[in-house]
Amino acid sequence: KQEVTQIPAALSVPEGENLVLNCSFTDSAIYNLQWFRQDPGKGLTSLLLIQSSQREQTSGRLNASLDKSSGRSTLYIAASQPGDSATYLCAVRSDFGNEKLTFGTGTRLTIIP
Amino acid sequence: DGGITQSPKYLFRKEGQNVTLSCEQNLNHDAMYWYRQDPGQGLRLIYYSQIVNDFQKGDIAEGYSVSREKKESFPLTVTSAQKNPTAFYLCASKDEAGRTQYFGPGTRLLVL
Repeated sequence: KQEVTQIPAALSVPEGENLVLNCSFTDSAIYNLQWFRQDPGKGLTSLLLIQSSQREQTSGRLNASLDKSSGRSTLYIAASQPGDSATYLCAVRSDFGNEKLTFGTGTRLTIIP
Repeated sequence: DGGITQSPKYLFRKEGQNVTLSCEQNLNHDAMYWYRQDPGQGLRLIYYSQIVNDFQKGDIAEGYSVSREKKESFPLTVTSAQKNPTAFYLCASKDEAGRTQYFGPGTRLLVL
């Protein structure tokens, strides 16, 4: 059974710093991995999706990497801004025929102005 | 505007009562999903539907029921058999060619 872990559960950093969020998964046979953002009391917004054959994806100040063999993904946020404050969730899809996503518990990020 | 809508934003349930959460999408997506989110836990899949008139149980389907009579609608009923229904409920959809799920704004269910 796939399990997804995100540590730490909460993180506070001063504005302008670069930061890394971590995601680990127990079964390396994945189809893809996604990073989502969730603002308090809101739905999820997809940030980046990495296929199993890819090593990384970039969108603006965000860069996500994937190391399947070690069961790890990182989300790098450059030059953090107060608007980046949110909970960040990673989710793994195990195979093409299975629509199910397995979610981590998230990291609550606070950017201090 | 295209997107996914969920209503109501807040819902209160009395003991022994069934309640229905609405999810509507105008994205012409085939697949729709219902998730439950509890504090300190990841999202857990309740039910999903890949096509009209068909749906499958997710990991925590007990105490819930769904229907998919129209492509754009996927209502979730929380029955009296669900003994711990207090949670944040999220609906999502995805088209056949899409790789990502698009989420609605959620419904928070509270028990009186």
